[in-house]
Amino acid sequence: DTGVSQDPRHKITKRGQNVTFRCDPISEHNRLYWYRQTLGQGPEFLTYFQNEAQLEKSRLLSDRFSAERPKGSFSTLEIQRTEQGDSAMYLCASSSPGQNYNEQFFGPGTRLTVL
Amino acid sequence: GENVEQHPSTLSVQEGDSAVIKCTYSDSASNYFPWYKQELGKGPQLIIDIRSNVGEKKDQRIAVTLNKTAKHFSLHITETQPEDSAVYFCAASIARDDKIIFGKGTRLHILP
Repeated sequence: DTGVSQDPRHKITKRGQNVTFRCDPISEHNRLYWYRQTLGQGPEFLTYFQNEAQLEKSRLLSDRFSAERPKGSFSTLEIQRTEQGDSAMYLCASSSPGQNYNEQFFGPGTRLTVL
Repeated sequence: GENVEQHPSTLSVQEGDSAVIKCTYSDSASNYFPWYKQELGKGPQLIIDIRSNVGEKKDQRIAVTLNKTAKHFSLHITETQPEDSAVYFCAASIARDDKIIFGKGTRLHILP
């Protein structure tokens, strides 16, 4: 499978706990994006990497959220002190440096439920 | 910033009929307009896109149109089939590396 993969697919946690999600982009894609999707809404941009550099962060990304892409390959998204409002689908996408336009390919997502 | 509006939120069509989903965007600098299909429990799948230098694009039963003057773009699905049932999102992007701004989605039901 050469698509974007995410792990875990589902995560249930109690309020106040920390969680970490992983995204593996399509091989050789240098751009990696994180989005959040709540029920009945479209995905909302959180942050974006080009190689290992984090280039943009949305105001949705509070200081409890941190994302890394240390070697320019896979990325992790950590949420500290989770709140019920963090319950959502967290989507990762990647795109290729050879593209002229912003074709982003999405993974299956990690569904987070905060109890 | 960019804002994408999508209508309708729900659409039911008889199998074999056509479905049309319409979107508007606010930022005239947007130059890339992808459409995504999302099935239950899955991530969005890119099904077709259109660039600002093109007015129309077709791929088998799917076509997209773009009116840059009016800042409108639409998705047309002809000869609908049961497997077309899903949530469809329109989106817009300004720059090559930039984030994509999504509409709120249209839930398409294909009736037997």
